[in-house]
Amino acid sequence: KNQVEQSPQSLIILEGKNCTLQCNYTVSPFSNLRWYKQDTGRGPVSLTIMTFSENTKSNGRYTATLDADTKQSSLHITASQLSDSASYICVVSEGGGFKTIFGAGTRLFVKA
Amino acid sequence: EAGVAQSPRYKIIEKRQSVAFWCNPISGHATLYWYQQILGQGPKLLIQFQNNGVVDDSQLPKDRFSAERLKGVDSTLKIQPAKLEDSAVYLCASSHGTANYGYTFGSGTRLTVV
Repeated sequence: KNQVEQSPQSLIILEGKNCTLQCNYTVSPFSNLRWYKQDTGRGPVSLTIMTFSENTKSNGRYTATLDADTKQSSLHITASQLSDSASYICVVSEGGGFKTIFGAGTRLFVKA
Repeated sequence: EAGVAQSPRYKIIEKRQSVAFWCNPISGHATLYWYQQILGQGPKLLIQFQNNGVVDDSQLPKDRFSAERLKGVDSTLKIQPAKLEDSAVYLCASSHGTANYGYTFGSGTRLTVV
């Protein structure tokens, strides 16, 4: 069964600190992996997308990594800001992209 | 470009009542998705349209949920009758083609069934 599992479920960090969120998947065949940020009361917004051949992608203070062999991805947030408080969702697309599987998300709280 | 528009933003209804949500995707996006997101969980696909045809509705509870996309543009999602467990955020998303092109999500409709 195709699954996407994220850890931790929630995380509290101090402003200015770095953090890393994890995503493990069993989706096959693999097409691409995306990280989304979802602010409370809003729809998810795409941060990064990676295909099989890419192993790192940055978007400002967000850096995603992908290890297609171990089927693991991480999202690293550098110098966190209060506005980074949100849910971060890992999404994996299967095959030709017609099916996507969402993780449950990691809820990040950044405290002053 | 304008984003995906959804309405209403919030809705509170009693169980056994009916409710409808509306979505206007980004102009030119052929694929439209409806997702249900229960608090603390990731979005779950309810139905996927390609133009005005249904691509995947395998997780749509068809005894109470229905959706249509007339003319391949706007879409409505209806629940009749609603149950307490239908309380969730209903997200609409659109893309040019398959998910490989990327989604754009609307802000969602938060439904509370009491």
